[in-house]
Amino acid sequence: AQSVSQHNHHVILSEAASLELGCNYSYGGTVNLFWYVQYPGQHLQLLLKYFSGDPLVKGIKGFEAEFIKSKFSFNLRKPSVQWSDTAEYFCAVNAISGYNKLIFGAGTRLAVHP
Amino acid sequence: DTGVSQNPRHKITKRGQNVTFRCDPISEHNRLYWYRQTLGQGPEFLTYFQNEAQLEKSRLLSDRFSAERPKGSFSTLEIQRTEQGDSAMYLCAIPHATGGLSGNTIYFGEGSWLTVV
Repeated sequence: AQSVSQHNHHVILSEAASLELGCNYSYGGTVNLFWYVQYPGQHLQLLLKYFSGDPLVKGIKGFEAEFIKSKFSFNLRKPSVQWSDTAEYFCAVNAISGYNKLIFGAGTRLAVHP
Repeated sequence: DTGVSQNPRHKITKRGQNVTFRCDPISEHNRLYWYRQTLGQGPEFLTYFQNEAQLEKSRLLSDRFSAERPKGSFSTLEIQRTEQGDSAMYLCAIPHATGGLSGNTIYFGEGSWLTVV
């Protein structure tokens, strides 16, 4: 069965600090990978996605993620965070075969202090 | 705009009562998903529809839960004899095609919050 692990449950940073959120998945086949963000009081929004090609993908608001197949990882990064990045971040994976059923990690709650 | 309208947005109910949530995609989509999200957790898959056919159900969906998509457009999720453990956000999601089945991205509605007291 597929599973997703997000090792950092809570992260606290100051503005302008660099961010890296870990995500590892377990699945032996080909997958699509996603990061979703949920700002306080808002719905889940897609941040970025990886389907194929360049393993370094860029998303909205300056975020990027790198797919390392050998490590089954898809870590999220941002060079300089802002207070407005305060949110919960979810990594998700789905198998290429099937119904595009997404399996989510437990999420990482990021708090950015001014 | 999430592309999905969910109602009601919030529901407080007494234990043992039945509740029903509705999901209305703004445009036609042959696939529709229901997820559940509890505090401190990521969304968990509940069930999936291809048009009006319910093709997959999670083990999380006990026999108190039933979902329908009668005309392949809107969908309902009913919970009978609610329990406090049912308190969660119930999310409806639809795909946005970027090319082929494997290229689809799933977009979520704003969800329906259920509190069972």
